[in-house]
Amino acid sequence: QQQVKQSPQSLIVQKGGISIINCAYENTAFDYFPWYQQFPGKGPALLIAIRPDVSEKKEGRFTISFNKSAKQFSLHIMDSQPGDSATYFCAASRDFNKFYFGSGTKLNVKP
Amino acid sequence: KAGVTQTPRYLIKTRGQQVTLSCSPISGHRSVSWYQQTPGQGLQFLFEYFSETQRNKGNFPGRFSGRQFSNSRSEMNVSTLELGDSALYLCASSLGGRTSGNTIYFGEGSWLTVV
Repeated sequence: QQQVKQSPQSLIVQKGGISIINCAYENTAFDYFPWYQQFPGKGPALLIAIRPDVSEKKEGRFTISFNKSAKQFSLHIMDSQPGDSATYFCAASRDFNKFYFGSGTKLNVKP
Repeated sequence: KAGVTQTPRYLIKTRGQQVTLSCSPISGHRSVSWYQQTPGQGLQFLFEYFSETQRNKGNFPGRFSGRQFSNSRSEMNVSTLELGDSALYLCASSLGGRTSGNTIYFGEGSWLTVV
């Protein structure tokens, strides 16, 4: 059973556009929801994270929107740039550092 | 500050053999966790060690094992390798003091190919 479902699998956005990636989770015990960015040949790197008591968190061009009742959260990348082209993973955890990851979204930002 | 260091970066093994992967965490980090990344299954949690004790375990067979040393360095071992074990093995470290919400920092991974 997949604990965290992520969509879309791939996304193409024009430079300057908004990229939106969605995730849904099942376990209401999850209490920490990070997003990771991974470039080819590199390990994932933390982008931004949120707790379920907050509905939105913004850091620069990256925003997490969190809907606790729907058990969904999403990543918005404003003013998307070619350098944002990477694979993005959402994740959820409740036990120390045991994270459940989504399947990933490959983002391609066209110049 | 040096990041998470994993060795070796690339290796090729034959079915039935065993392999040991090594991870040096960020200085001061006491938690080390291991993940397997494959195109089909994505990122899956293997186990986590904190102060030399296994604190969490994923749903992998007993062929996958790990340990942590007093200096927080960690190793994972896979015995009796199968073709399906071919993957990128990622190590992540964190301060690990909180029960949740710890930021984990990944290394660049060890690419294992089983032939």
